[in-house]
Amino acid sequence: GAVVSQHPSRVICKSGTSVKIECRSLDFQATTMFWYRQFPKQSLMLMATSNEGSKATYEQGVEKDKFLINHASLTLSTLTVTSAHPEDSSFYICSAPLRLGGRGEQYFGPGTRLTVT
Amino acid sequence: KNEVEQSPQNLTAQEGEFITINCSYSVGISALHWLQQHPGGGIVSLFMLSSGKKKHGRLIATINIQEKHSSLHITASHPRDSAVYICAVQTSGSRLTFGEGTQLTVNP
Repeated sequence: GAVVSQHPSRVICKSGTSVKIECRSLDFQATTMFWYRQFPKQSLMLMATSNEGSKATYEQGVEKDKFLINHASLTLSTLTVTSAHPEDSSFYICSAPLRLGGRGEQYFGPGTRLTVT
Repeated sequence: KNEVEQSPQNLTAQEGEFITINCSYSVGISALHWLQQHPGGGIVSLFMLSSGKKKHGRLIATINIQEKHSSLHITASHPRDSAVYICAVQTSGSRLTFGEGTQLTVNP
């Protein structure tokens, strides 16, 4: 079946640095990918929709200058957390629909656990 | 009120028991997903439903569009079924809105 990978799986960084997280669709093309954030004991929250060849769409309350999204190709989207702070520590997950418009499965990456010290 | 409500929040069962997790939603949807999240965090998609019922092994998912309600059933539960089960509704395009999740613990 379709697979979505994320890299890295875990990252620890110092406050003020930037961290890049990659999301790849391994055997299908994804013109759209979704980025989610999950705080401990809470559900996933959609952060932004990544669109290949155009700007990402951010959810209300998500700072686009802090969470930079680049959908460089049909199989790769990156999320860069800029000037990370301890409150950005979270579990970040991406997903990619097999087909847009509600006609296909969604495949989730394994997630990236970010810890900012 | 959340757009997606799950119940119960926590569920403890003995191995072999029949388990039901419920999901109610308040918006129009194109599909509903049941997801499984293990302690390490990785998410597996169990079902995507737009009507009726689906079965995969010991898992059964049903949806009633008119009542805006879905259930996930696990028959003959096993300790390896212990995980967080998440209901998510698909609205515009492929966007998902998630429930809070149900923490299931199955004891041997």
